[in-house]
Amino acid sequence: GESVGLHLPTLSVQEGDNSIINCAYSNSASDYFIWYKQESGKGPQFIIDIRSNMDKRQGQRVTVLLNKTVKHLSLQIAATQPGDSAVYFCAEKSGNQGGKLIFGQGTELSVKP
Amino acid sequence: DADVTQTPRNRITKTGKRIMLECSQTKGHDRMYWYRQDPGLGLRLIYYSFDVKDINKGEISDGYSVSRQAQAKFSLSLESAIPNQTALYFCATSGARGYDTQYFGPGTRLTVL
Repeated sequence: GESVGLHLPTLSVQEGDNSIINCAYSNSASDYFIWYKQESGKGPQFIIDIRSNMDKRQGQRVTVLLNKTVKHLSLQIAATQPGDSAVYFCAEKSGNQGGKLIFGQGTELSVKP
Repeated sequence: DADVTQTPRNRITKTGKRIMLECSQTKGHDRMYWYRQDPGLGLRLIYYSFDVKDINKGEISDGYSVSRQAQAKFSLSLESAIPNQTALYFCATSGARGYDTQYFGPGTRLTVL
């Protein structure tokens, strides 16, 4: 069956360092991937997405890398700030699933001052 | 995201009661979704609707029903609430294209005693 999961449930980094959050997926048919950030008491917030015809996409302080060979997705946050503390979810979508998103478990990022 | 609102934000109810959670959006999106989030787990899809006349079950639809009253409104009902339905519930919306992002509401915290 298909699944999306994260390698680490928690990640603690020093303010100013770079953060890397990883995600594995198992559905080879997935063609769209999204990273969401969820702060305490709030709904998931879109960060960045990537389509399967790309292997890298950059946003403001964030980069998503996609390795289709090993079915791996990562989110890199540059110069991590206290405001980046949150739970980060990866999600995948495949055309043969009617466009539904499948979410991973989430990684809690904690930024130490 | 203020464009997607959910009511109530918090609800405590008793086993066997009927509960309705409501979602409204001002984004003009055709597609709406209901997710459930449990501690330590990602979001799981309960029901989704691609337009007013289209309702589809997600991966955990048992014990739930939905109604799409209008393009902007999508409600979730628990016909007879049970304690293991205690969770965070999120509504989301998206456009109709395959790569359209899902935007989430602030969530409803439901406790079933």
